[in-house]
Amino acid sequence: DARVTQTPRDKVTEMGQEVTMRCQPILGHNTVFWYRQTMKQGLELLAYFRNRAPLDDSGMPKDRFSAEMPDATLATLKIQPSEPRDSAVYFCASGPGQYTQYFGPGTRLTVL
Amino acid sequence: AQSVSQHNHHVILSEAASLELGCNYSYGGTVNLFWYVQYPGQHLQLLLKYFSGDPLVKGIKGFEAEFIKSKFSFNLRKPSVQWSDTAEYFCAVGGKLIFGQGTELSVKP
Repeated sequence: DARVTQTPRDKVTEMGQEVTMRCQPILGHNTVFWYRQTMKQGLELLAYFRNRAPLDDSGMPKDRFSAEMPDATLATLKIQPSEPRDSAVYFCASGPGQYTQYFGPGTRLTVL
Repeated sequence: AQSVSQHNHHVILSEAASLELGCNYSYGGTVNLFWYVQYPGQHLQLLLKYFSGDPLVKGIKGFEAEFIKSKFSFNLRKPSVQWSDTAEYFCAVGGKLIFGQGTELSVKP
């Protein structure tokens, strides 16, 4: 039963520190998405890759966030420097195409 | 603007009651519609999806949804809920999914 995996599952850090979240998409999936979930904003799309190329990162604060896919088995989301308002659950999802997405378990980030 | 609206923020039902959760969308492109469920502390799981064809879509766990194009709606239904259906339900539209704010369902045993 193939699943999207994310690490770490929980991260507590102090304001100003760099945070890197990792995602391993399901093997063979060519689309990868990063979402952020907060109580206030709900689920927001941050970035979207197809065949490792970034197609849309308009939902991402450019000054501090960056998303990459160094290879087909790894997607990363980095925040530098982190701020308390970045506290959220970050989900990665992958899919065999654009329209069906399978979500990972999420990384719960707390920035103090 | 593209958006998804879920009318009910929190729904409380007793077991065996029927469920209908509302979802309306505003979307300019090809309409692909989804319902996801998020059980407490877990990730989102796909319940069902509609791309084309029969507007009545059946999903997992006894859920179904009906796409009504004239009403821009994609309501989720289940004839008889169980305590294990307690979760948050999200309607979404598009390819880069635009999510509604979610509806929290609490089922009392």
